[in-house]
Amino acid sequence: GAVVSQHPSRVICKSGTSVKIECRSLDFQATTMFWYRQFPKQSLMLMATSNEGSKATYEQGVEKDKFLINHASLTLSTLTVTSAHPEDSSFYICSASPGGGTDTQYFGPGTRLTVL
Amino acid sequence: AQKITQTQPGMFVQEKEAVTLDCTYDTSDPSYGLFWYKQPSSGEMIFLIYQGSYDQQNATEGRYSLNFQKARKSANLVISASQLGDSAMYFCAMREDQTGANNLFFGTGTRLTVIP
Repeated sequence: GAVVSQHPSRVICKSGTSVKIECRSLDFQATTMFWYRQFPKQSLMLMATSNEGSKATYEQGVEKDKFLINHASLTLSTLTVTSAHPEDSSFYICSASPGGGTDTQYFGPGTRLTVL
Repeated sequence: AQKITQTQPGMFVQEKEAVTLDCTYDTSDPSYGLFWYKQPSSGEMIFLIYQGSYDQQNATEGRYSLNFQKARKSANLVISASQLGDSAMYFCAMREDQTGANNLFFGTGTRLTVIP
């Protein structure tokens, strides 16, 4: 149980285009999902907390107009990287928690974005 | 100050031997959760084990055990009977319950290599 999927797994785009990444909880509902970013050989950095039915909460230094988050349902959150630039190239990974005592977060498989 | 510190960038262990990956944390929240995740080269984050701050006993999950020393604020991961498939990055993470945000703070990770 507690499976989280992400789509696409890998995307290459031209500079200036927008890219949408989907995060789905397959076997549970998640009122909150999280979006992380991981640069090569570095740790995961929280970008934003995605709340179903309300605006996302962004971490300091993350541009909310550039990284648009929509939490349309209890099983789907999307991250759109708008007007992507090469410095946005990174590994983006989402997580969700089915709730319960431990509130363990389960992660999606990640999306590797390369902006040319 | 770093909330999670992993001081071992890389570790080597002989197959079938046990290995300990270090993790120390810093929080003033009386209630928190500690997690270990495994990240193989494919990039996905795999949940391994959880320890709650009020848990009296050390958590165990199969070959994984968490050596929780609350006074020292350490939460080391012990992997017994190492297997070649255990080679991966390992991240320690913490959730502070008082904030209610449920987001995780990650350490910088330890790359474990199991030698045949």
